[in-house]
Amino acid sequence: KNQVEQSPQSLIILEGKNCTLQCNYTVSPFSNLRWYKQDTGRGPVSLTIMTFSENTKSNGRYTATLDADTKQSSLHITASQLSDSASYICVVTGGSQGNLIFGKGTKLSVKP
Amino acid sequence: DADVTQTPRNRITKTGKRIMLECSQTKGHDRMYWYRQDPGLGLRLIYYSFDVKDINKGEISDGYSVSRQAQAKFSLSLESAIPNQTALYFCATSGAPGQANANTGELFFGEGSRLTVL
Repeated sequence: KNQVEQSPQSLIILEGKNCTLQCNYTVSPFSNLRWYKQDTGRGPVSLTIMTFSENTKSNGRYTATLDADTKQSSLHITASQLSDSASYICVVTGGSQGNLIFGKGTKLSVKP
Repeated sequence: DADVTQTPRNRITKTGKRIMLECSQTKGHDRMYWYRQDPGLGLRLIYYSFDVKDINKGEISDGYSVSRQAQAKFSLSLESAIPNQTALYFCATSGAPGQANANTGELFFGEGSRLTVL
């Protein structure tokens, strides 16, 4: 069964600290993996996309990694800011019909 | 103005009432989707449409119907609302092959419609 699992479910960190969010998937065949950021009460917005041949990609203070062999991805946030407080959703495109499979998200709270 | 606009943003209704949520987009995308989001369950696909004449059920279509009135408009209806349809609903678009962002499958979401069924 094609699944996407995210951990932790929620995370609280202090402003200025770093954190790493995890995404494990069992989707096959794999097309790409995307991380979305969803602010409270808003729609998700794409942060970055990882394709099979990419190991690391950065978008400002956000760095995503992909290990296609172990089917794992991580999203690392450096020097967190209060505005990083949001839910982060991992979405894998793949399967026999190229479907989008959503993780349930990690809720990050950055405290001053 | 937002590229994907949903109306209403908030609605409180009673059990048994008919409700329509509307979505319009200015991105020129062919593909449109309706998702619902519940705490702890993430986003789940209700219906999707790849063009005006195409309607497909998602994983949780029971109790819902949709209409694709034009390329830019996709509405979701609850014919007889029930309390467990209380949720946050999102419309999203993506480009078809040949359109912007099509090769990456990026979804562009509206701001959401919060529906409460009493």
